Amino acid sequence: GAVVSQHPSWVICKSGTSVKIECRSLDFQATTMFWYRQFPKQSLMLMATSNEGSKATYEQGVEKDKFLINHASLTLSTLTVTSAHPEDSSFYICSATAGGFYNEQFFGPGTRLTVL
Amino acid sequence: EDKVVQSPLSLVVHEGDTVTLNCSYEVTNFRSLLWYKQEKKAPTFLFMLTSSGIEKKSGRLSSILDKKELFSILNITATQTGDSAVYLCALWGGQGAQKLVFGQGTRLTINP
Repeated sequence: GAVVSQHPSWVICKSGTSVKIECRSLDFQATTMFWYRQFPKQSLMLMATSNEGSKATYEQGVEKDKFLINHASLTLSTLTVTSAHPEDSSFYICSATAGGFYNEQFFGPGTRLTVL
Repeated sequence: EDKVVQSPLSLVVHEGDTVTLNCSYEVTNFRSLLWYKQEKKAPTFLFMLTSSGIEKKSGRLSSILDKKELFSILNITATQTGDSAVYLCALWGGQGAQKLVFGQGTRLTINP
């Protein structure tokens, strides 16, 4: 099956610093990648949808200047959490799809971000 | 607004029991309903349902969709401790940009 990787798998940073998370589709070209955030004991919340070579579409309530998404190629998307604060601590998960009518999404293993 | 509601939110049973998890939804431009299992990390795919009345089966797990009544169920028979996880229901659809909308999840705990 299709494999999506994320790096790093966990990161701890100080408040005010920026953190970059990478999402790669390893064996297929991803027309679209999605970024989700999951707080403890809650479900996945879509943050943004990104298509290669174009600007990401952010969900309502997600600050695009704080969560910078770059989808530079068909196999790589990055999420940068700028000026991170403790309330940004969460589990960030990406998924990728190769397109098609049913658009099956393949999830990465997630990145746990802890901001001190 | 697109919405997915799962019930129960939490369920504790004994090993060997059979469980039924529910997912009801409202979504524009329905394309498919998906079930995922989430343990410590990201969700793993279980089923994708697109047509009413056709049961999907994988070992002890099965699922069915009712597009008229707008719900799906996930059954697990002869449960094992390894089935303990959060089960997520998600809808693929939406107005304009297509996206996955997740339910809150059902936290299933199987006690030995």
